[in-house]
Amino acid sequence: GAGVSQSPRYKVAKRGQDVALRCDPISGHVSLFWYQQALGQGPEFLTYFQNEAQLDKSGLPSDRFFAERPEGSVSTLKIQRTQQEDSAVYLCASSLGGEETQYFGPGTRLLVL
Amino acid sequence: AQSVTQPDIHITVSEGASLELRCNYSYGATPYLFWYVQSPGQGLQLLLKYFSGDTLVQGIKGFEAEFKRSQSSFNLRKPSVHWSDAAEYFCAVKGSGGSYIPTFGRGTSLIVHP
Repeated sequence: GAGVSQSPRYKVAKRGQDVALRCDPISGHVSLFWYQQALGQGPEFLTYFQNEAQLDKSGLPSDRFFAERPEGSVSTLKIQRTQQEDSAVYLCASSLGGEETQYFGPGTRLLVL
Repeated sequence: AQSVTQPDIHITVSEGASLELRCNYSYGATPYLFWYVQSPGQGLQLLLKYFSGDTLVQGIKGFEAEFKRSQSSFNLRKPSVHWSDAAEYFCAVKGSGGSYIPTFGRGTSLIVHP
């Protein structure tokens, strides 16, 4: 079946612009995670949804970052007033449940100029 | 707090040679352990995982890993490397008591020479 998909795959933004990154999880997966992967580093947790409920947003680096999953399926990560330090790959993962194996999408590479 | 150390940033091997990638973790109780592979421009693909039971875990693509509690290690091995194995490899740890957030190491880049 289809895996996790993310769009766009690449995004170039000028500093100060708002961006929206989309994640389509595997159908039927209850849990959805967002990660930020800086160059040369491993992924770092941003936020976690169980269905439409955002149960953990402790990893969001600032209040410029906002995520939603209104119908418990597709999720959007929004970054307002982008800064150069926001440049990274943003990975989405989904799983059947919170403790189950996570399946990752290809990521969105964000470059802020 | 849980943490993962991958001491080797780069590993270079010749095609056909054996491979061992090191991973050391820190976690107070029994951990869940994972190895993922990431090819350029791709997301992470799960190679194998350890939850409990047999400490030698078999994964996809001919990889295996051994959980050694006494050494807090979960090293990844492959007896004969193929050129297509060149990629970034990440070790991750997650708590076993209802935790859902894995902590990843910084990764080891595998370079395969023909």
